[in-house]
Amino acid sequence: GAVVSQHPSRVICKSGTSVKIECRSLDFQATTMFWYRQFPKKSLMLMATSNEGSKATYEQGVEKDKFLINHASLTLSTLTVTSAHPEDSSFYICSARDRVSRRTDTQYFGPGTRLTVL
Amino acid sequence: GNSVTQMEGPVTLSEEAFLTINCTYTATGYPSLFWYVQYPGEGLQLLLKATKADDKGSNKGFEATYRKETTSFHLEKGSVQVSDSAVYFCASYQTGANNLFFGTGTRLTVIP
Repeated sequence: GAVVSQHPSRVICKSGTSVKIECRSLDFQATTMFWYRQFPKKSLMLMATSNEGSKATYEQGVEKDKFLINHASLTLSTLTVTSAHPEDSSFYICSARDRVSRRTDTQYFGPGTRLTVL
Repeated sequence: GNSVTQMEGPVTLSEEAFLTINCTYTATGYPSLFWYVQYPGEGLQLLLKATKADDKGSNKGFEATYRKETTSFHLEKGSVQVSDSAVYFCASYQTGANNLFFGTGTRLTVIP
């Protein structure tokens, strides 16, 4: 149980285009999902917290207009990288918190999406 | 503020060797502490956790003890296997912070 999927697993795009990454909780409902970015040899950095039916909360330094987050249902959150540039190339990981679980410290992680911007 | 520092890898061990991956944390209070493991091509999985001082988390032969006096949560395993090859992340969570703080990850490779 508690499986989170991400799609696509890898994407290569041209500079200036937009890329959408999906994060789905497959067997549970998630009122809260998190988006992380992982740089080579660096820790996971939280980008934003996505709450179902409301606006995402972005961490300091993360551009809201560049990284659009939508959490339209209890099982799906999307991250859209708009007008992508090579410096946006990274590994993006989502996680989800089970709506039923009372443990706020428990998150289930997706396998990540490798974005390469040419 | 909150942060986690873990030993840099990569770590290469022979099968059945003893494993230690160091992790220390900084926090304003007493966070919950975690070790996550990421196998190749997969997402992060919770390996073990401890929620208060002196607690020991354990799973699959791995152990880590929450040491408040040294602000540490070192991961240990007495005899590693090839299947333990993965990246290990130490993390902390503090109520009110609403998110996990991760270390940089340590890649472990176990050779037969």
